[in-house]
Amino acid sequence: GAGVSQTPSNKVTEKGKYVELRCDPISGHTALYWYRQSLGQGPEFLIYFQGTGAADDSGLPNDRFFAVRPEGSVSTLKIQRTERGDSAVYLCASSPGGRNTGELFFGEGSRLTVL
Amino acid sequence: SQQGEEDPQALSIQEGENATMNCSYKTSINNLQWYRQNSGRGLVHLILIRSNEREKHSGRLRVTLDTSKKSSSLLITASRAADTASYFCATDKGSSGSRLTFGEGTQLTVNP
Repeated sequence: GAGVSQTPSNKVTEKGKYVELRCDPISGHTALYWYRQSLGQGPEFLIYFQGTGAADDSGLPNDRFFAVRPEGSVSTLKIQRTERGDSAVYLCASSPGGRNTGELFFGEGSRLTVL
Repeated sequence: SQQGEEDPQALSIQEGENATMNCSYKTSINNLQWYRQNSGRGLVHLILIRSNEREKHSGRLRVTLDTSKKSSSLLITASRAADTASYFCATDKGSSGSRLTFGEGTQLTVNP
């Protein structure tokens, strides 16, 4: 597709369960970002990939959160033992990459609700 | 913590009026960007201004950057009801390929 695709668009789970959120970036974009956005707040940085490697994972809140991008394209954000506080919209963005951070292209987000 | 802080948090104006939103940040930057987000949607890039630029225009948008005051403003002229959205500033902290840090946003409502 032409834009960044995120699935699922909505996910409802129970406390303690494991969830995976998928991001399919724009073809050819080497940089991929995950952000988390709570209601009424700005996006909060989680992790940034350049190619297959995590160039900056300093925003991951704890070791229950993990993300992979094994082939340098699709990325999966994995959350173990979910807690109610993990409820948020998880946004993925991609960019062509390069020396400076230019425009990010965002997906529509995955809304996670932990009951 | 958020690098950018926007004010006001909320702004309500009539169609045809101009809307001005401000953003302040704390550290040196490579560039500053403004994004728009309609309710329940992803963010859409509006404009990027580099640290060596002072003003930039794009259609009805005008962005200024004052690096000495570490602040930026976004002006939307002749606003329309369709401009109703949240607006966020985002800064690139200056290292190679670094992340963008977003502010808390300004909720703009344009009344028809």
